[in-house]
Amino acid sequence: QKEVEQNSGPLSVPEGAIASLNCTYSDRGSQSFFWYRQYSGKSPELIMFIYSNGDKEDGRFTAQLNKASQYVSLLIRDSQPSDSATYLCAVQEGNKLVFGAGTILRVKS
Amino acid sequence: NAGVTQTPKFRILKIGQSMTLQCAQDMNHNYMYWYRQDPGMGLKLIYYSVGAGITDKGEVPNGYNVSRSTTEDFPLRLELAAPSQTSVYFCASSPRDEQFFGPGTRLTVL
Repeated sequence: QKEVEQNSGPLSVPEGAIASLNCTYSDRGSQSFFWYRQYSGKSPELIMFIYSNGDKEDGRFTAQLNKASQYVSLLIRDSQPSDSATYLCAVQEGNKLVFGAGTILRVKS
Repeated sequence: NAGVTQTPKFRILKIGQSMTLQCAQDMNHNYMYWYRQDPGMGLKLIYYSVGAGITDKGEVPNGYNVSRSTTEDFPLRLELAAPSQTSVYFCASSPRDEQFFGPGTRLTVL
């Protein structure tokens, strides 16, 4: 079982700031990476996926992948209180995803 | 499209009882998955299926069984429920890589 590590947090940022969430993975051969957001009591919802080294932007969200260093990060610009949630990093392993335990993000207004 | 649906939303079982958690998807996805999530923890894969008639164990399969007779449905069976199976259960489906989750079933075993 490959490992995916995330800092559990909570990560607290003021409204309007940039939130930076990080994830490291153990399998150097991993090719596909996903970020999910999970509100308390709800199911995970897909925010972004990234396959290639570098940055991928979608609105206020940017995913960054560095395969040589085996980490993937998620930046949230102009953070809003509605972004407060647990963010799960997932790494593809064959037909499955391996999930990290998640980072709790709190955006303070 | 309803997406991924799960029933029931909540259930309380007594130790030793059995039940089936239902999962259905209307997106014609080949891949389906069952996870459990304990408080403050990540998702642990129980079983998955890559198509009708094909299932395989995940990380924590003990105490559970699955079947996949159609593309749409992927029920999870709990036999002889134990307190350790108290958790939130999520079903997900996928066309290939990204997975889409159902709303979950909150199960308590007393």
